[in-house]
Amino acid sequence: DGGITQSPKYLFRKEGQNVTLSCEQNLNHDAMYWYRQDPGQGLRLIYYSQIVNDFQKGDIAEGYSVSREKKESFPLTVTSAQKNPTAFYLCASSIGRLVNTEAFFGQGTRLTVV
Amino acid sequence: GESVGLHLPTLSVQEGDNSIINCAYSNSASDYFIWYKQESGKGPQFIIDIRSNMDKRQGQRVTVLLNKTVKHLSLQIAATQPGDSAVYFCAEKDGFDNDMRFGAGTRLTVKP
Repeated sequence: DGGITQSPKYLFRKEGQNVTLSCEQNLNHDAMYWYRQDPGQGLRLIYYSQIVNDFQKGDIAEGYSVSREKKESFPLTVTSAQKNPTAFYLCASSIGRLVNTEAFFGQGTRLTVV
Repeated sequence: GESVGLHLPTLSVQEGDNSIINCAYSNSASDYFIWYKQESGKGPQFIIDIRSNMDKRQGQRVTVLLNKTVKHLSLQIAATQPGDSAVYFCAEKDGFDNDMRFGAGTRLTVKP
């Protein structure tokens, strides 16, 4: 069945390490997004991609990087430059960023720095 | 754009009562609005959406009201059930930067 899948569900990172969060969708959506969620706060946009091989920074892109080599995949790398990476990360996709339709979310990855 | 709050508003209702969750937005150019439900440790789920050319839209047990004059959105849940307990987010989008902006959310607790 169609959907958006994030892995892993839980991830632990040591100080100074880069880690990559996976996001895959089989909805044939053009647009994909990464959000960060901290306790008691709303979702903040890290990066988005409207089409393959294109991506744009969101509000809090510093310390993160992404790629969009395939339509169905939009991995997020949390680099050592991100000073406070512990958070819940959500990936989403939609038909198109310019289209007024809902975004579908994955189940999230909880990243903890140890 | 809409600010992200540091404190999560809470709403506690009795099972079977109606719930009303409110959301204020600041961007006059916002033309599309969505309500999402997020259960603990999971991703947000779409509940209902509304476009700015409407002021009311109904779904199954849910109604969204949009008041553009005062920039206010509300979600009404009829006959609230324990399974409705979750955090509810409103999201807004405008036609200029096309970014979806999320509010801080409201935690709904349903008492049996």
